[in-house]
Parts: sequence; C-alpha cells; structure tokens
Amino acid sequence: ELKVEQNPLFLSMQEGKNYTIYCNYSTTSDRLYWYRQDPGKSLESLFVLLSNGAVKQEGRLMASLDTKARLSTLHITAAVHDLSATYFCAARGGGAKSYGKLTFGQGTILTVHP
Amino acid sequence: GAVVSQHPSWVICKSGTSVKIECRSLDFQATTMFWYRQFPKQSLMLMATSNEGSKATYEQGVEKDKFLINHASLTLSTLTVTSAHPEDSSFYICSARETRTDTQYFGPGTRLTVL
Repeated sequence: ELKVEQNPLFLSMQEGKNYTIYCNYSTTSDRLYWYRQDPGKSLESLFVLLSNGAVKQEGRLMASLDTKARLSTLHITAAVHDLSATYFCAARGGGAKSYGKLTFGQGTILTVHP
Repeated sequence: GAVVSQHPSWVICKSGTSVKIECRSLDFQATTMFWYRQFPKQSLMLMATSNEGSKATYEQGVEKDKFLINHASLTLSTLTVTSAHPEDSSFYICSARETRTDTQYFGPGTRLTVL
C-alpha cells in the first residue's frame, strides 16, 4: 500500500527566508504531484514530476524528485506572504489496477509573516 | 487548460435526506473520475474511483450503500450521499483523469453541511 508522508506539517516562516518541505513515499510511484490549497478552496496544481532527477521551478517554488530515495522536495526561496497556504504532495500508484489514483500526504500548512 | 466543475458549490441539508453532487469535465473526456473527502485541517482522502460504464471501486472503510456513485457518461460522475448525517459534513472534491493526456484535474469542491 502506497503511503505518503510530509514534513513538516506546520511551517511558520519569515518573509525573505528559504525553506524546504519534504515528501516521502513508501512504494513505487510513477508520478509525484505538488498542490497548493487556499482556505475554503480546492487544489491548485503546482508541479508534476515524472522521472528521477526531475526539477521544476515556478517563481519562488522549486520541486525535485529522487525516485531512488522515494523523496520529493518543495523548496521555497525568499518567501513572501502570498505563499501562505497548505501544500500537499501526492504520489500516483503504479500499475493498471490503480487507475491512476493518488495518495496524498498530510499537508504542510505554511504561514509567511513579516 | 482542462476544467472540471462541481455542482452545487455548497449545500446545507437536514439529517436523513439525500444529497447529489455532480462532477463534470467540461472540455475533455474522462473515463475515470475520483471522489475525495476532506475534513477541516486534514488531507484529502480518496473515497472511490469511478469508471465510466462500470461500478465504482470504493476504498476500504467507505460505505458503498451510503455513497452512491454513478458515472454514466465520459463527462459526468455523480456522488449521492444517502440519508446524510452530521458526521457526513465535509468538503467533497472530485477529480477527472483526462484519457488523452493521462492528467488529473480537480474540481472546485462541494461543501456539505448536514444539520
């Protein structure tokens, strides 16, 4: 059974600082996703990572994937208040019988303060 | 990009009544749709996988007789919460898997409150 764990679960950062959120998954996965969720809203897709060593960047966020370590990271550079949200990683199970279903991590609640 | 809609956005109902939530892929075909439930301050929990033209596959612990799923077309899946009770109050989110690109798109969610 695929399990996904995020760390940390709560993160309070000062504006301008850097930090990394970690996402570990337990078994083989063929895709790793990062999403953002604002309060009361659904998920906004940030990144999809397909292969070992994949790195994607958008603005102040950069995501990477190490399939051998079963680890993905979401790095925040020079945080700004607008980045305050909950961030989820999700791993897609491999195999035809999974139908592409996703298993989500617990979420990381990020608060950026002045 | 591809859009998934949900209807209604929010619903308040009395205990014991049934509520139907629709999930539509607006500009693509989705042979597979997924239904998630999210309680406050928690992650998304997959309830069931809905495949067009066949029975839904429910996750362990999800009552299939309580959460009825129908996926009658390539663009529509419905979730009916039967005999809803206050503990069913939650945020229900669907996603649709675009067959052509194998990409999953999430709907805006439906907030259900059962009084």
